[in-house]
Amino acid sequence: DAGITQSPRYKITETGRQVTLMCHQTWSHSYMFWYRQDLGHGLRLIYYSAAADITDKGEVPDGYVVSRSKTENFPLTLESATRSQTSVYFCASIGLKTQYFGPGTRLLVL
Amino acid sequence: KQEVTQIPAALSVPEGENLVLNCSFTDSAIYNLQWFRQDPGKGLTSLLLIQSSQREQTSGRLNASLDKSSGRSTLYIAASQPGDSATYLCAVLNAGGTSYGKLTFGQGTILTVHP
Repeated sequence: DAGITQSPRYKITETGRQVTLMCHQTWSHSYMFWYRQDLGHGLRLIYYSAAADITDKGEVPDGYVVSRSKTENFPLTLESATRSQTSVYFCASIGLKTQYFGPGTRLLVL
Repeated sequence: KQEVTQIPAALSVPEGENLVLNCSFTDSAIYNLQWFRQDPGKGLTSLLLIQSSQREQTSGRLNASLDKSSGRSTLYIAASQPGDSATYLCAVLNAGGTSYGKLTFGQGTILTVHP
């Protein structure tokens, strides 16, 4: 099916563990984005990528790492998870100046 | 830095009412403005997208307007239904400054339509 998929949809982890959230899109869009959504803060941009092997920081990049070896995949890694990274994470891609969002990953860091 | 504000933060109305949600933005250098709907625990669904050169877009009972010069957009919902209950988010795609090419979101309006 065409679109954006995220995995896992739900994740519980412990402080200090490494976690990777996956994002896959089937449109071959150049631009991809990672957001986190928190009560009181709305949606905030973590990282974005303009093309394979090109990434840049967004508004709240600390504690996160991204890579983009293939156009269709844009994984987000929490190198050492902290409780403040408990959130809902959305991946998005942009085509024809419209952003398309994945279903989100709910992450709980204990 | 672009800032997007949505008013009101929450709205509760009886079924059948017409209602207006407001969105304002500080930097008029935008490509477009998009209204999204988000149901509890779900992702974002795009409702309407207005290009910077357009004044309004309509889809069914929804009508969105854009006044780029004043930095305002409204989402009009006609004959509201309980199924319209959700959070409505406004976002602008920035065409200039440090936010070029990125979306800036408002914090949303939580709409409740009661029978």
